[in-house]
Amino acid sequence: QQQVKQSPQSLIVQKGGISIINCAYENTAFDYFPWYQQFPGKGPALLIAIRPDVSEKKEGRFTISFNKSAKQFSLHIMDSQPGDSATYFCAATSSGSARQLTFGSGTQLTVLP
Amino acid sequence: DTAVSQTPKYLVTQMGNDKSIKCEQNLGHDTMYWYKQDSKKFLKIMFSYNNKELIINETVPNRFSPKSPDKAHLNLHINSLELGDSAVYFCASSQMTVNTEAFFGQGTRLTVV
Repeated sequence: QQQVKQSPQSLIVQKGGISIINCAYENTAFDYFPWYQQFPGKGPALLIAIRPDVSEKKEGRFTISFNKSAKQFSLHIMDSQPGDSATYFCAATSSGSARQLTFGSGTQLTVLP
Repeated sequence: DTAVSQTPKYLVTQMGNDKSIKCEQNLGHDTMYWYKQDSKKFLKIMFSYNNKELIINETVPNRFSPKSPDKAHLNLHINSLELGDSAVYFCASSQMTVNTEAFFGQGTRLTVV
């Protein structure tokens, strides 16, 4: 049973456009929701994260929107750049699981120049 | 300095062999993890190890065994390797509190032939 569902599987955006990736979770015990960025041949790296008591968090061009009642959260990348081309993973964790991360299935983002 | 380092980066071995992957973190974190990334890039937790407490994902075969000589090291030993074990294995570490980033190593690509 996949506890964190992510869509779309792949996304192609023009340079300067907005990239939007959506995730939904099932486990209400989750209390921390990070997004990870992974480039080919590298490990995932934290991009931005949010707690469920906050509805939005912005860091530069990256924004997380969080809807606790719907158990959904999304990543918005404003002014997308070719250097943003990577695989993006949403994730969720809780204190009861030693902070193990449950990942979404990933979104392959391609930003065209 | 590399925060989380894994060795080797690539590992090619025959079915039935036993192999180990080493991981070291210099971040002073108290929890370490092993994640498996399959050919579809899906990331799944295998183990977490915190203060000598081991949490094992129930889907992990008992051919996989983590060994932690100290807080900074968590090695992964795999017995009787099978073709299906081919994947990229990531070590990660974090501090067991909310809002703490998990740092990932660069991964070990294991190919079983």
